[in-house]
Amino acid sequence: AQSVSQHNHHVILSEAASLELGCNYSYGGTVNLFWYVQYPGQHLQLLLKYFSGDPLVKGIKGFEAEFIKSKFSFNLRKPSVQWSDTAEYFCAVNPSGGYQKVTFGIGTKLQVIP
Amino acid sequence: DAGVTQSPTHLIKTRGQQVTLRCSPKSGHDTVSWYQQALGQGPQFIFQYYEEEERQRGNFPDRFSGHQFPNYSSELNVNALLLGDSALYLCASSSGQSGNTIYFGEGSWLTVV
Repeated sequence: AQSVSQHNHHVILSEAASLELGCNYSYGGTVNLFWYVQYPGQHLQLLLKYFSGDPLVKGIKGFEAEFIKSKFSFNLRKPSVQWSDTAEYFCAVNPSGGYQKVTFGIGTKLQVIP
Repeated sequence: DAGVTQSPTHLIKTRGQQVTLRCSPKSGHDTVSWYQQALGQGPQFIFQYYEEEERQRGNFPDRFSGHQFPNYSSELNVNALLLGDSALYLCASSSGQSGNTIYFGEGSWLTVV
């Protein structure tokens, strides 16, 4: 069974600071990888996803993530955060070619201070 | 607009009672999955329905059951409620096999007292 580990549970940054949220997964085969965001009071939204191809994936709102297969990692980055990025971020994985049982990490709460 | 609609948005139940939560998938989607998100945790997979059958199940007891209707909408039933069942229940829909984007609803907040 797959598992996901998010290293930072609560991150506080000032506006314009750079962001990197760590995510590692455990699974013996090929996987699809996702980052979801949950803004306060809103539903989960997809930020970006990786299925295959270029390991550097660009998503919405200036976010990007890099899949490093040798490290089983899929870290989320943004060069300059804004106050509106305050939200909870979830890394998720599901096995390629299988059904959509998606396993989520515990989440990272990001607070951006103006 | 998420496209996935869930009802009710909030409800309070007493221990031992039963609850039914409902989900309408995004238009064009035929697969519905249910997740439980406890406070401070990521969503946990409960089960998935496709063609009106449970296709895959997570580590949840038999008290959790579901149904999918011919119009692809779905229900989640929880019997003999426990305090620990208090959580946000999320419905997600998608179409086809793995790799298609999954869309989440806003969730149903269940409080068991």
